[in-house]
Amino acid sequence: EVQLLESGGGLVQPGGSLRLSCVASGFTFSTDAMTWVRQAPGKGLEWVSTIGRTGTTTYYAPSVKGRFTISRDDSESTLYLQMNSLRADDTAIYYCADSSDITTSERFDNWGQGTLVTVSS
Amino acid sequence: SYELTQPLSVSVALGQTATISCGGNNIGSKNVHWYQQKLGQAPVLVIYRDNNRPSGIPERFSGSKSGNTATLTISRAQAGDEADYYCQLRDSGTWVFGGGTLLTVL
Repeated sequence: EVQLLESGGGLVQPGGSLRLSCVASGFTFSTDAMTWVRQAPGKGLEWVSTIGRTGTTTYYAPSVKGRFTISRDDSESTLYLQMNSLRADDTAIYYCADSSDITTSERFDNWGQGTLVTVSS
Repeated sequence: SYELTQPLSVSVALGQTATISCGGNNIGSKNVHWYQQKLGQAPVLVIYRDNNRPSGIPERFSGSKSGNTATLTISRAQAGDEADYYCQLRDSGTWVFGGGTLLTVL
């Protein structure tokens, strides 16, 4: 059974930093692209960032580019999201998800339960 | 930037068929995926690459595409199908979600 377990969320002041983690199990982590998706309170889903299988290719939404960094540690089956210069509009539940489609990584096959990030003074 | 347009809400009578649309420019050339999100839960993939069901998703869920619109169809709607539904695709180096549609089963 595929499991994705996020952690690292919490309350942070504007301008602060936070590092999210997502530990994967139940599948071969190194063969899947991995993604962070967020959902602000009462709002829809927003793609944040994706990292390719090898970790050398990364993609970011314009709203987070230059502030967030996605990375992965295949030896630990863990995905990370380093978030700097946080703003109030970064407040959201952050989900990690995997893409098992190795050719296009278009879709998100499995999702974690999410971790809540609140940016407020 | 690429945009996907969904209706805010759709209602369906118990046991009837619900259709949720997703519009986007040149959507016919892209693969569309659909997710179900029940209240307080994480999203679940219900349709991938326009019309394919992942293992464990009931046959009542189906997808189609015509022109600039993709459609999720839920046959014989059940109370347990009440949820938000999101379409999604990849456009070059970005991944895009529709705004979501709340399905209410009456």
